[in-house]
Amino acid sequence: AQSVTQLDSQVPVFEEAPVELRCNYSSSVSVYLFWYVQYPNQGLQLLLKYLSGSTLVKGINGFEAEFNKSQTSFHLRKPSVHISDTAEYFCAVSENSGYALNFGKGTSLLVTP
Amino acid sequence: DGGITQSPKYLFRKEGQNVTLSCEQNLNHDAMYWYRQDPGQGLRLIYYSQIVNDFQKGDIAEGYSVSREKKESFPLTVTSAQKNPTAFYLCASSIGKSRSYEQYFGPGTRLTVT
Repeated sequence: AQSVTQLDSQVPVFEEAPVELRCNYSSSVSVYLFWYVQYPNQGLQLLLKYLSGSTLVKGINGFEAEFNKSQTSFHLRKPSVHISDTAEYFCAVSENSGYALNFGKGTSLLVTP
Repeated sequence: DGGITQSPKYLFRKEGQNVTLSCEQNLNHDAMYWYRQDPGQGLRLIYYSQIVNDFQKGDIAEGYSVSREKKESFPLTVTSAQKNPTAFYLCASSIGKSRSYEQYFGPGTRLTVT
């Protein structure tokens, strides 16, 4: 069985500062990894995904993530955040057992001026 | 535009009543999913369907039922047996038989039961 741990439930950051949202997973098999963003009272939107190949993945809105197999991590980064990045961010893992995703509990990013 | 529609956005029901949440997609996706979201809990899978007329229980299926009579539609019924039904419900779909396919989400339905 796999699990996804998002290490920070809330991350406050000032506008134009860099940010890292941490995600660790546990799995005994190969996995696919995803980051989603959720704005208040809305559905989830895919930011980026890692399937194979380069461990540095670039996504939308200037976000990127790095897959580290030895540390079983998939941390999300942005070099300079905007107020509009304020949202809930979810890390998700898909294992070989099927179609469903296992989600972390989310990290609330709050960007202030 | 292709996408997933969930209706209504807000739903209020009295305790003891069954309620059905709608989910429709025009993406021609084979797989569809229902998740429940509670504050600080992330998303938990209720049911999923890979093809028409077939569906499987997720992690928290008790008190819920689904049907998949058409490829485009995957309604979720919250029954009176669900002990704590107040939550935000999200429907999603994906192309189908590969775990690498991303899931596309609808806007969600917020259900309040009093």
